[in-house]
Amino acid sequence: SQQGEEDPQALSIQEGENATMNCSYKTSINNLQWYRQNSGRGLVHLILIRSNEREKHSGRLRVTLDTSKKSSSLLITASRAADTASYFCATDAWGAQKLVFGQGTRLTINP
Amino acid sequence: ETGVTQTPRHLVMGMTNKKSLKCEQHLGHNAMYWYKQSAKKPLELMFVYSLEERVENNSVPSRFSPECPNSSHLFLHLHTLQPEDSALYLCASSHSTGAYGYTFGSGTRLTVV
Repeated sequence: SQQGEEDPQALSIQEGENATMNCSYKTSINNLQWYRQNSGRGLVHLILIRSNEREKHSGRLRVTLDTSKKSSSLLITASRAADTASYFCATDAWGAQKLVFGQGTRLTINP
Repeated sequence: ETGVTQTPRHLVMGMTNKKSLKCEQHLGHNAMYWYKQSAKKPLELMFVYSLEERVENNSVPSRFSPECPNSSHLFLHLHTLQPEDSALYLCASSHSTGAYGYTFGSGTRLTVV
């Protein structure tokens, strides 16, 4: 069954603005991960946040996790044209030995 | 290059053909995965191999047959496919716990005619 669901499905902003994407999931997790996919290519791992963590930073990326609400958000600050891509959250449930992906958010950065 | 190499990048095959997709990693990972990505649908997990043993087979039709001869190589054998099997097939690898994320290949774009 589908675990993560991203919101919005598509987001278009101006270069330099911040982009926020949200992810909701259904069951208990070990960790939650965010990936980026440029058109027709493989996925690139961006950041992993464990179930006992609430916030994590990596460069211009900030991820939060609220296990009580079963939700996560990905914030990209000072967006650039090169950030244009699809972004996916994926959940790793305890003992599942697999990642389950959401449908993704298509982010477009306009110059 | 991510460290996970998939070949071929593109494949066009007829419904009666037999072909194989190949995935190779030299990252020291001991788990490998096949995912299918179709338009307008989430990534679908097809198969999981951990320590060269299949640990998950997600109700995939028998026309898809995986093979994992060692921890560095993963194959997906295809035969008598249907047009709806046209998709991007992605291979990934990880440490068996998955606690550090997956590394994906660039995928094979498969078109069944």
